Amino acid sequence: IVLTQSPGTLSLSPGDRATLSCRASESVSPHLAWFQQKPGRAPRLLIYGASSRATGIPDRFIASGSGTDFTLTISRLEPDDFAVYFCQQYGQQSGPSTGWTFGQGTRVE
Amino acid sequence: QLQLQESGSGLVKPSETLSLTCAVSGGPISGDGYSWTWIRQSSGKGLEWIGYIHYSGSTFYNPSLKSRVAISIDRSKNQFSLKVTSVTAADTAVYYCAREVWYHGLDVWGQGTTVTVSS
Repeated sequence: IVLTQSPGTLSLSPGDRATLSCRASESVSPHLAWFQQKPGRAPRLLIYGASSRATGIPDRFIASGSGTDFTLTISRLEPDDFAVYFCQQYGQQSGPSTGWTFGQGTRVE
Repeated sequence: QLQLQESGSGLVKPSETLSLTCAVSGGPISGDGYSWTWIRQSSGKGLEWIGYIHYSGSTFYNPSLKSRVAISIDRSKNQFSLKVTSVTAADTAVYYCAREVWYHGLDVWGQGTTVTVSS
């Protein structure tokens, strides 16, 4: 399953709204996760199950979508939010025999 | 608080075997619904899922790596390991271990370890 993220880069300012897209080549619903990664750090889980926030994730991170189209919205960007964001499918329907995959990332700068 | 820490060879010669271990602390490695995962990240290919070992011992691998990869678990030491055989420069990457919880995804990650394949 191929995940395509858009745009590649978002140039925004603190306080702006960021909208990130992830499109899958086939349905992965609801096993879609979003991660945030900063330079030199491991990815951090933000969202699982397409729309559920992981523990400790602020409510300005809002995710939605189903089937093949998913969106991550950061309602009001804070300085700490400037990073690279990845989506990942872990679609039980297709099973791990086909492998979990990641999108190529969206940089929010 | 669960923590994962990767260790192993940072420099591997082409055609040799890459070996990494992930030590799990702050919680048991044996738990229903847990799968222990390896992921790598290179500048050329982004994030790549390598595979995982379920707490029961079942393994699942990325089809593109399956012939060269083995993941094992040592419950007595609370750790799991990765071996990649016949490495090439394309295996140069930062390698992460992580825990996958059914439905909840990859919720805890190690800090990552850099592996370089070079003679």
